[in-house]
Amino acid sequence: NAGVMQNPRHLVRRRGQEARLRCSPMKGHSHVYWYRQLPEEGLKFMVYLQKENIIDESGMPKERFSAEFPKEGPSILRIQQVVRGDSAAYFCASSPPWRGGLYNEQFFGPGTRLTVL
Amino acid sequence: SQQGEEDPQALSIQEGENATMNCSYKTSINNLQWYRQNSGRGLVHLILIRSNEREKHSGRLRVTLDTSKKSSSLLITASRAADTASYFCATVRQTGANNLFFGTGTRLTVIP
Repeated sequence: NAGVMQNPRHLVRRRGQEARLRCSPMKGHSHVYWYRQLPEEGLKFMVYLQKENIIDESGMPKERFSAEFPKEGPSILRIQQVVRGDSAAYFCASSPPWRGGLYNEQFFGPGTRLTVL
Repeated sequence: SQQGEEDPQALSIQEGENATMNCSYKTSINNLQWYRQNSGRGLVHLILIRSNEREKHSGRLRVTLDTSKKSSSLLITASRAADTASYFCATVRQTGANNLFFGTGTRLTVIP
């Protein structure tokens, strides 16, 4: 059972371009979470998705950022018109379906390091 | 906003010594977890302690949780150079979704 996969591992974009980050959850996992880590800081929650639904996007910037988790295929975090401040490591985590409200452990991918020139 | 803070921000010890890191948080939690992150790499889950637990062990790791003080500590005994990494605590809130709220991290350096 492969772990959470993210690609690309490294992404370089110029200011104004678009960045697309992909996350394939572990097999059988239907919940995906995106986190952002700025240099020398901890991870900050961005968005929580289930298949075809955004459950909680309270950590997403209001503009330029969007996320989706389609019925088929990976989850995508999309950043439009990137700026230098978007340079960070973006981590995806997945967890299995809820079981009677009990907490499900999240499994993290290796991250995508975005550099905006 | 971020959930927690950790102290110290940085810790440097000799190999073989014990390392203690502390984490404080603000809201009621379902559980608290500790993660390790090597420089430039992903997160490795170390241990999870539930809100009704006070202490948990895993190998050389010992975690305590004091919900009355909203704090936790991670003790690494007999440290090794390979333990050099950043350590983060993360909480899952008692109500709401499953997402994690991370602390600011402690950078541990173990000198051989």
